[in-house]
Amino acid sequence: AQSVTQLDSQVPVFEEAPVELRCNYSSSVSVYLFWYVQYPNQGLQLLLKYLSGSTLVESINGFEAEFNKSQTSFHLRKPSVHISDTAEYFCAYSGTYKYIFGTGTRLKVLA
Amino acid sequence: NAGVMQNPRHLVRRRGQEARLRCSPMKGHSHVYWYRQLPEEGLKFMVYLQKENIIDESGMPKERFSAEFPKEGPSILRIQQVVRGDSAAYFCASSPQGGTGGIYEQYFGPGTRLTVT
Repeated sequence: AQSVTQLDSQVPVFEEAPVELRCNYSSSVSVYLFWYVQYPNQGLQLLLKYLSGSTLVESINGFEAEFNKSQTSFHLRKPSVHISDTAEYFCAYSGTYKYIFGTGTRLKVLA
Repeated sequence: NAGVMQNPRHLVRRRGQEARLRCSPMKGHSHVYWYRQLPEEGLKFMVYLQKENIIDESGMPKERFSAEFPKEGPSILRIQQVVRGDSAAYFCASSPQGGTGGIYEQYFGPGTRLTVT
């Protein structure tokens, strides 16, 4: 069965420290991968996506993720986080129109 | 270009009442998807609709839930005789294209948070 696993439900990190949010997927077909961010009481905003091509994708606010087919992973990284990055982050994968979401990782940036 | 609109943002219903959730897709989008987010869980696909057609409702509970996307007006997710377990955030997404053979980026609305008392 197709699934997405986000092993870390919460990640506390100090401001300006690096962070990695892990995402692993399970699928035997071509996949498209996404990271969404959800701020409190708001909807999901697309952070970045991998559809094809370069395995390293970047967002405009400093996040990046690398598609690793052999490890079936799509981990999200940022070299230096800000307080404003505090939010919930969802990894999602799709082989068709259905998005399969992970359970989310709550990133808490501490001053 | 306004994003995906959902209303109401918050909805409180007593057990046994009906809940109606509305979703207006982005301008130019004719494909709508509904997802449900239960507490402490990720979003789960419920249904995929095109104008006047249900393409895939495999994620919808078999009873009490229905969805439509009429030719004119917003998409509606209807939950009849709500129970406490229906309390969740319901998100709508839309895409400009769709179909079963491809991948099209979905744009999400802010969600409707349903509380059943």
